[in-house]
Amino acid sequence: KAGVTQTPRYLIKTRGQQVTLSCSPISGHRSVSWYQQTPGQGLQFLFEYFSETQRNKGNFPGRFSGRQFSNSRSEMNVSTLELGDSALYLCASSLADRGSGELFFGEGSRLTVL
Amino acid sequence: AQTVTQSQPEMSVQEAETVTLSCTYDTSESDYYLFWYKQPPSRQMILVIRQEAYKQQNATENRFSVNFQKAAKSFSLKISDSQLGDAAMYFCAYRSGHGYGQNFVFGPGTRLSVLP
Repeated sequence: KAGVTQTPRYLIKTRGQQVTLSCSPISGHRSVSWYQQTPGQGLQFLFEYFSETQRNKGNFPGRFSGRQFSNSRSEMNVSTLELGDSALYLCASSLADRGSGELFFGEGSRLTVL
Repeated sequence: AQTVTQSQPEMSVQEAETVTLSCTYDTSESDYYLFWYKQPPSRQMILVIRQEAYKQQNATENRFSVNFQKAAKSFSLKISDSQLGDAAMYFCAYRSGHGYGQNFVFGPGTRLSVLP
């Protein structure tokens, strides 16, 4: 069974641009969540989708948005990029949206904002 | 809001020895789950072990075991017979047992080095 796939793996953008990251969950997983990982702030929860509905949202500005499609694939978008948005963006999928179910992570998309 | 603290930014252990990574958390909830995740260099994060708060018995997975002290809100990870492949960042994570959603709260991580 294929794991969580994130694209692109690496990208470089300049301030003010926007970026879209994609995540394909493990087949059959309906929950997809996104995390931002930086050396200073660690792993911070962005948002989570389940069956195309946003279930939870972290404490990030409105420039960060996401969506989930009917096939459970998810995208996140960051508009008007700032230097501080440079980070590793991790996507994780889960079979269930509650309980002790583990998160399965992708390898991440490393975004550099110049 | 829940918080997770890992007081050891870096740890090192000799190969074949035992090491314990510390984690404390703060919550007012009684129903929750705790996890240890491992992130090897430039590789994806994987689950090491999980613990349901309602279970008193400490979880064990091969060389990995936890010491779960609910009253003290402590959740340490013990790695026995350390191997070179154990070198990684280790994150302690909390997930509420209430409601829906997979919004985990992660600690800042502990970087573990394994010395040959």
